[in-house]
Amino acid sequence: AQKITQTQPGMFVQEKEAVTLDCTYDTSDPSYGLFWYKQPSSGEMIFLIYQGSYDQQNATEGRYSLNFQKARKSANLVISASQLGDSAMYFCAMREGFGRMDSSYKLIFGSGTRLLVRP
Amino acid sequence: DADVTQTPRNRITKTGKRIMLECSQTKGHDRMYWYRQDPGLGLQLIYYSFDVKDINKGEISDGYSVSRQAQAKFSLSLESAIPNQTALYFCATSLGTGPKYFGPGTRLTVL
Repeated sequence: AQKITQTQPGMFVQEKEAVTLDCTYDTSDPSYGLFWYKQPSSGEMIFLIYQGSYDQQNATEGRYSLNFQKARKSANLVISASQLGDSAMYFCAMREGFGRMDSSYKLIFGSGTRLLVRP
Repeated sequence: DADVTQTPRNRITKTGKRIMLECSQTKGHDRMYWYRQDPGLGLQLIYYSFDVKDINKGEISDGYSVSRQAQAKFSLSLESAIPNQTALYFCATSLGTGPKYFGPGTRLTVL
C-alpha cells in the first residue's frame, strides 16, 4: 500500500493566487515527521517545511504553510501568493519512528505534483 | 558560497570503474546524508552519518561505500560502477529530523 499519496500529478495556478498541494499518508507509528520539498527543473532539491506528528500547531515558513490534519492523515502544502519561480515539482515525504533508537532516516516519498504558475 | 557543495557536478564513466563523489558543507551540521534520485521518483537513502565515527546504511547501500573524513566532508564511492547506478546523487545535511540542506546534485552516467 502507498504510504504517501499525492493525487495531483499536475496543477496550474495563476500568479499571486494561493494553491494547495495535497498529501495523504499512511502509518501506524505514532511518531513521525512530514516534509515537503521543491525540485525546480534545474534539478536541485529544496527543503520547504516540516511537521512533526506531535506538533500542536501547523508549520509555517514564509509563504508556505502545512495544513496538518492528523485524524485524516493529511499534510497539505499551501503556497500563498504564488510566484513564477514556484513552478516546480513538489514532493511530500514521511519519516517514521522519530525518537526511537532503531529509527532509520529513510524518507518515504510521494510521486510528486508538478506545479505550473501562469503569469 | 553555497552551504553544501558537491563535486563533480556531472560525470560519465564506464562499467567497472571506481568513482568517488565528494560533498562538503559549511553549515556546521553533524548529520550528513547521501541520496539517489532516479528519473521521476523521490529520493532513496544510500548512507547517512551522525558524526565522523558514526556511519549507517540506508535502504540502498549495496554497491556503495562512504567515508566521513571530517565533520564537513562526506564522500560516496561506487567501487565498481554498473549502468543501473546511473542517477542523480544528492548530498544533504541537517541538525536533526531529516535532510534540509542539499547540494546541487551530481548527475552520474554509467555506460
